[in-house]
Amino acid sequence: KAGVTQTPRYLIKTRGQQVTLSCSPISGHRSVSWYQQTPGQGLQFLFEYFSETQRNKGNFPGRFSGRQFSNSRSEMNVSTLELGDSALYLCASRQAGGNTGELFFGEGSRLTVL
Amino acid sequence: SQQGEEDPQALSIQEGENATMNCSYKTSINNLQWYRQNSGRGLVHLILIRSNEREKHSGRLRVTLDTSKKSSSLLITASRAADTASYFCATDANNAGNMLTFGGGTRLMVKP
Repeated sequence: KAGVTQTPRYLIKTRGQQVTLSCSPISGHRSVSWYQQTPGQGLQFLFEYFSETQRNKGNFPGRFSGRQFSNSRSEMNVSTLELGDSALYLCASRQAGGNTGELFFGEGSRLTVL
Repeated sequence: SQQGEEDPQALSIQEGENATMNCSYKTSINNLQWYRQNSGRGLVHLILIRSNEREKHSGRLRVTLDTSKKSSSLLITASRAADTASYFCATDANNAGNMLTFGGGTRLMVKP
């Protein structure tokens, strides 16, 4: 079974641009979560999608958005990039829609904003 | 904000020694999980302990949970150089939706 796949793995953007990151969950997994990891703030929850619906959202500005498609693949978008958005963005999937169990993480997309 | 605080932030030991990492959290939880992250890569799930469990083992890993103190510990026995990584606790809090809240992590270095 293929793991969680995130693309692109690395990207460099400049302030004011926007970026879209993609995540393909493990086959059969319907829940996809996104996390931002920075040296200063650590791992912070962005949002979670289940069956194309956003079920939970972390404390991030509206510049951060996401969506999930009918095949469970998910994208997240960050508009009007700021230097502080430089981070490792991690996607995680899990199978069920109930209480949180084990998350399966992708390798992440490392975003650098110049 | 982070629910969990981990202690120590960094730990350096020799191969063969045991490594103990601690995690404290703030709210009631459904379960607590430990993850491992090799430098700059994705997280790998190690073990999950439910709020009604006190201790759990998996191979060289032993996790304890004390809900009265809102704390957990991860013990890695007979450590190996390949155990060098960052270790994070993550809590699934009651009424938090389906999200995990991660601690700041412990950076473990195991010297050969």
